[in-house]
Amino acid sequence: DTAVSQTPKYLVTQMGNDKSIKCEQNLGHDTMYWYKQDSKKFLKIMFSYNNKELIINETVPNRFSPKSPDKAHLNLHINSLELGDSAVYFCASSQKGSGNTIYFGEGSWLTVV
Amino acid sequence: AQTVTQSQPEMSVQEAETVTLSCTYDTSESDYYLFWYKQPPSRQMILVIRQEAYKQQNATENRFSVNFQKAAKSFSLKISDSQLGDAAMYFCALYRPNAGKSTFGDGTTLTVKP
Repeated sequence: DTAVSQTPKYLVTQMGNDKSIKCEQNLGHDTMYWYKQDSKKFLKIMFSYNNKELIINETVPNRFSPKSPDKAHLNLHINSLELGDSAVYFCASSQKGSGNTIYFGEGSWLTVV
Repeated sequence: AQTVTQSQPEMSVQEAETVTLSCTYDTSESDYYLFWYKQPPSRQMILVIRQEAYKQQNATENRFSVNFQKAAKSFSLKISDSQLGDAAMYFCALYRPNAGKSTFGDGTTLTVKP
């Protein structure tokens, strides 16, 4: 009964490959996010969706393409992976007007070799 | 620009003692929320405490409390009776409803010495 779940938790892949990370939330929230945490542990927002609509795109390369089939799911597809894409990617959700607290998934550790 | 600054990259505290982590923020909006999150080595992001800007009273959650100084745009976290399990990275975050997103500080790594 995890609130925000993302898969896979660990992913090791070669440069140039394409990979996807899936995220689902069962909190009934209308907003979902993708955050990237780099090796220095800086946490930066990448995308935000509200009711399946893209709200925020923080100058992320076109190789990153989020998809939200419904408001409970937000997947992240990455094309042509580069070494610099190695990071922990966090999915999160929140509900506007209900404290605005962001609830995070456990993170997906991506290593590009 | 909307920023969140944590001026202490690292802090340490003796077990059972009290420690305060600093956070300052910058926003021109009147409606916003402030948070402290804890990130242990497992990397799970755990909400510690939340403060609504319109509330003057400082939020408290058990051993965790904040000192919210709205005019100074300061939001420090006080951890009382520190425990070994408090060792983690702590992030301060600012949420602005108009922007629909949270901005995080660079984090403070807290070490608890037995």
